[in-house]
Amino acid sequence: AQTVTQSQPEMSVQEAETVTLSCTYDTSESNYYLFWYKQPPSRQMILVIRQEAYKQQNATENRFSVNFQKAAKSFSLKISDSQLGDTAMYFCAFMIGSGNTPLVFGKGTRLSVIA
Amino acid sequence: DTAVSQTPKYLVTQMGNDKSIKCEQNLGHDTMYWYKQDSKKFLKIMFSYNNKELIINETVPNRFSPKSPDKAHLNLHINSLELGDSAVYFCASSYLTSRNEQFFGPGTRLTVL
Repeated sequence: AQTVTQSQPEMSVQEAETVTLSCTYDTSESNYYLFWYKQPPSRQMILVIRQEAYKQQNATENRFSVNFQKAAKSFSLKISDSQLGDTAMYFCAFMIGSGNTPLVFGKGTRLSVIA
Repeated sequence: DTAVSQTPKYLVTQMGNDKSIKCEQNLGHDTMYWYKQDSKKFLKIMFSYNNKELIINETVPNRFSPKSPDKAHLNLHINSLELGDSAVYFCASSYLTSRNEQFFGPGTRLTVL
């Protein structure tokens, strides 16, 4: 069974600063995908970034980037130039790569961006 | 143009009642899911349907019964509601060639009194 661990229940960062959220996972699968989802107070689940396990290059989406360390089974999210609108719960998630399989989520990290 | 919609968004009911939550997606996806988010914000899969057929049924009490009348709809019916059923229920959908991304509905907050 796959597990996802987020060791930081809460974090805070000053506006315009950089913050890194940690995620580790455990799996025996070789083909899988990793995701970071954002859940603001509106409770909508928003995909922030995705990474295919077979790709060595770290994914980036504007101010969001990941540090994917496959051997260490680590998948951290870096948010640069933090904005007030980044305040949200962030969930790391894992999916087996056979397609259309459910997401396995970590317990989330509550991020507060302070003005 | 809402991609994945759920109704209702809020549901308050008494213990012992039966209630349904509806989900519709207009993305042409072939797989739909129900996730439960508990009071500690933990999200867990409940059911998964592919082309109207149940493919995943996690250890969920059989008071919960999903129904998929067609590929665009996946409803969740809950019998004999209990206090512990209070949670946010998310519907999601995906398609094999859409880079494995799942699109989520806005969630339904169920409160059982």
